[in-house]
Amino acid sequence: GENVEQHPSTLSVQEGDSAVIKCTYSDSASNYFPWYKQELGKGPQLIIDIRSNVGEKKDQRIAVTLNKTAKHFSLHITETQPEDSAVYFCAASMGGYQKVTFGTGTKLQVIP
Amino acid sequence: NAGVTQTPKFRVLKTGQSMTLLCAQDMNHEYMYWYRQDPGMGLRLIHYSVGEGTTAKGEVPDGYNVSRLKKQNFLLGLESAAPSQTSVYFCASKTTGGNGYTFGSGTRLTVV
Repeated sequence: GENVEQHPSTLSVQEGDSAVIKCTYSDSASNYFPWYKQELGKGPQLIIDIRSNVGEKKDQRIAVTLNKTAKHFSLHITETQPEDSAVYFCAASMGGYQKVTFGTGTKLQVIP
Repeated sequence: NAGVTQTPKFRVLKTGQSMTLLCAQDMNHEYMYWYRQDPGMGLRLIHYSVGEGTTAKGEVPDGYNVSRLKKQNFLLGLESAAPSQTSVYFCASKTTGGNGYTFGSGTRLTVV
């Protein structure tokens, strides 16, 4: 089955700096890669996603990149703010009803 | 519009007791999922359903049963709770043509 590895497990950045979280996946059949943000005491919330036919996608301060050949994908957050502090999960799926396999999470702390 | 509602939010069980976690969604989503979240392990799929009356096993199904008698509800049962089932349980739903999951706020279960 699919295996998703995520690094780093914790990340501290100064407010205004950029943060990068990296993931790798194992199953070349995966074609959908969402990213979720989980705030304390809440369920994960989808913040951005990318499909395998796209190399990069941006939404304001966040962007995702995908390298299908290397089976790598990354989340980039620019101009970080204290409200970006949360746990971020990458994931991979074959789409449709197929299950989503999650990485182990990255706890991001933005220091004011 | 409540989205995905999980009840209860917290529960403490004694080893060997049984209980049912309820997930209800009001978005007319076809697909529903139960995940457990443990420290350092991300979210792991327990069971899922692609429609009313259908269920399937996920990655970690042992010790759990599920039912989807109505489209809007997905029940997770523990027949004989064990300390290893101490976890935070998340329900999620997804529409057939949609992308990411909508998660509930979770149920924190402790088995003593």
